[in-house]
Amino acid sequence: IAGITQAPTSQILAAGRRMTLRCTQDMRHNAMYWYRQDLGLGLRLIHYSNTAGTTGKGEVPDGYSVSRANTDDFPLTLASAVPSQTSVYFCASSDTSGDTGELFFGEGSRLTVL
Amino acid sequence: GQNIDQPTEMTATEGAIVQINCTYQTSGFNGLFWYQQHAGEAPTFLSYNVLDGLEEKGRFSSFLSRSKGYSYLLLKELQMKDSASYLCAVMDSNYQLIWGAGTKLIIKP
Repeated sequence: IAGITQAPTSQILAAGRRMTLRCTQDMRHNAMYWYRQDLGLGLRLIHYSNTAGTTGKGEVPDGYSVSRANTDDFPLTLASAVPSQTSVYFCASSDTSGDTGELFFGEGSRLTVL
Repeated sequence: GQNIDQPTEMTATEGAIVQINCTYQTSGFNGLFWYQQHAGEAPTFLSYNVLDGLEEKGRFSSFLSRSKGYSYLLLKELQMKDSASYLCAVMDSNYQLIWGAGTKLIIKP
């Protein structure tokens, strides 16, 4: 059972380049999320999707876009990367109809923008 | 604004007990979560509290007082593998998770 798969695991990117982080889940969870994690800060929500076909903005959406064409995939795109987007990005999913709605996280994508 | 406070770092001894506190101020409350995150890895779910009281799960217990905006995670019989960051998160009235910055727990032999 794979759970949530993120790709790439790590990437160094030149400023101004476009980048897409991929996220796929096989748990048929309705909700998916993208977070960034920076040293000394809590996880910050970038975008989320409560169900296929819908997306919403989180706490720090600027410079990022997402799509949710189907249940399993939730890619995150940086249209024109900037150094402040250097971070570790986590994709997560949850079954919001469950008892707790706990999040299941991917292993993370470490992105460095130079 | 919404805020989650937890200590930045704690140190404890193998075999001992440690309590990690979390205080919160949020717009509404729909549950409190604790996650464990080992260095370089993804967070993993530990516990969920929505009612006041203590939830016990093996060596780990989590306590909630909604009136005080307070929770703690209690780890007993500490093992070296418990060295990790422990993240407190509260689900607000919009069912969005608000995360604390995490407590880095260092276990010494």
